[in-house]
Amino acid sequence: AQSVTQPDIHITVSEGASLELRCNYSYGATPYLFWYVQSPGQGLQLLLKYFSGDTLVQGIKGFEAEFKRSQSSFNLRKPSVHWSDAAEYFCAVNPLGGYNKLIFGAGTRLAVHP
Amino acid sequence: EAQVTQNPRYLITVTGKKLTVTCSQNMNHEYMSWYRQDPGLGLRQIYYSMNVEVTDKGDVPEGYKVSRKEKRNFPLILESPSPNQTSLYFCASSLQGSGANVLTFGAGSRLTVL
Repeated sequence: AQSVTQPDIHITVSEGASLELRCNYSYGATPYLFWYVQSPGQGLQLLLKYFSGDTLVQGIKGFEAEFKRSQSSFNLRKPSVHWSDAAEYFCAVNPLGGYNKLIFGAGTRLAVHP
Repeated sequence: EAQVTQNPRYLITVTGKKLTVTCSQNMNHEYMSWYRQDPGLGLRQIYYSMNVEVTDKGDVPEGYKVSRKEKRNFPLILESPSPNQTSLYFCASSLQGSGANVLTFGAGSRLTVL
């Protein structure tokens, strides 16, 4: 079945440490890929997106993501986490089925220790 | 400021009492959509609209209605709410309905049905 998997429900890192959030998808063709962040009590903010081209994508707030076709993955990374990065992160795909529908992973909640 | 505005942000109601969650965007977007967010499930699409008077079901439409009489507004109607509709609801819009358009999300409406 078509799906988006975020294997880590909760992740805790220390401030200043590096971060990698995993995302895998199962679709026949390469979909459009997105990462969104949801801060407590807030809506979803787009961090970055991949449509085609360079497989390393830069986003806002110092985040980047790498698309790996062979692994059907689109992992989110940040070299040095700040306390303000504590939030829930969602990977999402648009399966290119026609209209603008996003399929979301279950989310990864990030906690940052001082 | 370009934005998607949802009201109310918080609502507690009782089973069977009809309610409407409003959504309005000021970006002249053609495409609008509603999602619900539940723990462990991410966001799932309820309904979407490609343009005025054009609406269609998403993945979880049961118990919901929508209308699109004006381009800027896309209300979500719960005719007879039930406790399983307790959730966090997001409205989103994009310039057009194709998958290459980035969705802008509202801040969310937290609904509790007793």
